[in-house]
Amino acid sequence: EVQLVESGGGLVQPGGSLRLSCAASGFILRTYVMSWVRQAPGKGLEWVAAISGGGGNTPYADSVKGRFTISRDDSKNTLYLQMDSLRAVDTAVYYCAKNFQAPLDVWGQGTTVTVSS
Amino acid sequence: SYVLAQPPSVSVAPGKTASIACGGDNIGDKSVHWYQQKPGQAPVLVMSFDGDRPSGIPERFSGSNFGTTATLTISRVEAGDEADYYCQVWDSSSDHVVFGGGTKLTVL
Repeated sequence: EVQLVESGGGLVQPGGSLRLSCAASGFILRTYVMSWVRQAPGKGLEWVAAISGGGGNTPYADSVKGRFTISRDDSKNTLYLQMDSLRAVDTAVYYCAKNFQAPLDVWGQGTTVTVSS
Repeated sequence: SYVLAQPPSVSVAPGKTASIACGGDNIGDKSVHWYQQKPGQAPVLVMSFDGDRPSGIPERFSGSNFGTTATLTISRVEAGDEADYYCQVWDSSSDHVVFGGGTKLTVL
């Protein structure tokens, strides 16, 4: 079964850092472009970042560029999102999803990040 | 940056047809995908490449895309279709994924 499982969310103070993980099973992560998408409480979906199969292309939303870093460990079949200089507006459920230019056809269950003092 | 516009809400009686619009500049030149999200759950792809239904999605769901508007149509609406629906494209100019603001479908 193709599955994505996120982890690493939690409560962090403004200015702090957090690293999210997304473990893939049922498919080989390195053969797909992967994305992170977030959803603030009561709001819509917002694409955050993507990473190509080779890791050489990493587009970011303007709202997170320079603060977030997407990466992957193909040996662990896992996707990551390093989030630095966190702000209250980054509070959201973060989803990893399979694909980027193609339809996002597999989603994880999401992990919640709360930025608050 | 590319913008997709959706109506905040659409209401429909059971058994009737619901149409959810997604507007964008020359959106007909892009591939549009649609997602259904129920409360507390992750989004689910219900329509890809304008009008292709993924496996497991009922035939009641259909899609079209022409000019400045893409449309998701749900025929014979059921109570279980009540959810938020999002349209999405990949914008080649910015190399970004773009989502519409979402439409809450209410089944009366």
